[in-house]
Amino acid sequence: AQRVTQPEKLLSVFKGAPVELKCNYSYSGSPELFWYVQYSRQRLQLLLRHISRESIKGFTADLNKGETSFHLKKPFAQEEDSAMYYCALSGLLADKLIFGTGTRLQVFP
Amino acid sequence: GAVVSQHPSWVICKSGTSVKIECRSLDFQATTMFWYRQFPKQSLMLMATSNEGSKATYEQGVEKDKFLINHASLTLSTLTVTSAHPEDSSFYICSASRQGKNQPQHFGDGTRLSIL
Repeated sequence: AQRVTQPEKLLSVFKGAPVELKCNYSYSGSPELFWYVQYSRQRLQLLLRHISRESIKGFTADLNKGETSFHLKKPFAQEEDSAMYYCALSGLLADKLIFGTGTRLQVFP
Repeated sequence: GAVVSQHPSWVICKSGTSVKIECRSLDFQATTMFWYRQFPKQSLMLMATSNEGSKATYEQGVEKDKFLINHASLTLSTLTVTSAHPEDSSFYICSASRQGKNQPQHFGDGTRLSIL
């Protein structure tokens, strides 16, 4: 079964602390993994994808096929990082997305 | 950029009426558009995939006669909730992607539908 699991509904940290938002997936094949972010009162937007191997806004995510994980990390959280983060996967054709349930990140000053 | 506009952003109507939601790609041609539904504090659930000029592909459990999807042009897809009932109240979100491999999805702002 195709599934994306984000075990944490809420993650609260203080500014400057490291952040790791967990994402595990189940997929029969080689998926493409994404992280989407939704800031307050804004639309869902792509943060990063594993094939790009980019660092966006200080965030990185490494695909670990052995552990079927795609955790999102940032060494020093900022208040403006507070948002809802969704992990998602699609097949190699990058068609439909399967979303996790999302993790709300709260960064306190 | 890649901007997707969704209209209306919020609609309230009586039970039994039909509601049409529009999804437009403003600055690119979208060969594929997706319609999602999101319940409060839950994830986005894909309802259907819409390809320009062809019938939409519905996900399991989604009634095609209830949720009519039309993708008549490369910049517009519409979702019509027919004979809406209170249980259809939800947040509906569309996304669009360009033609080609590995094209990301760009999301609209969503439409909050409330059926009284």
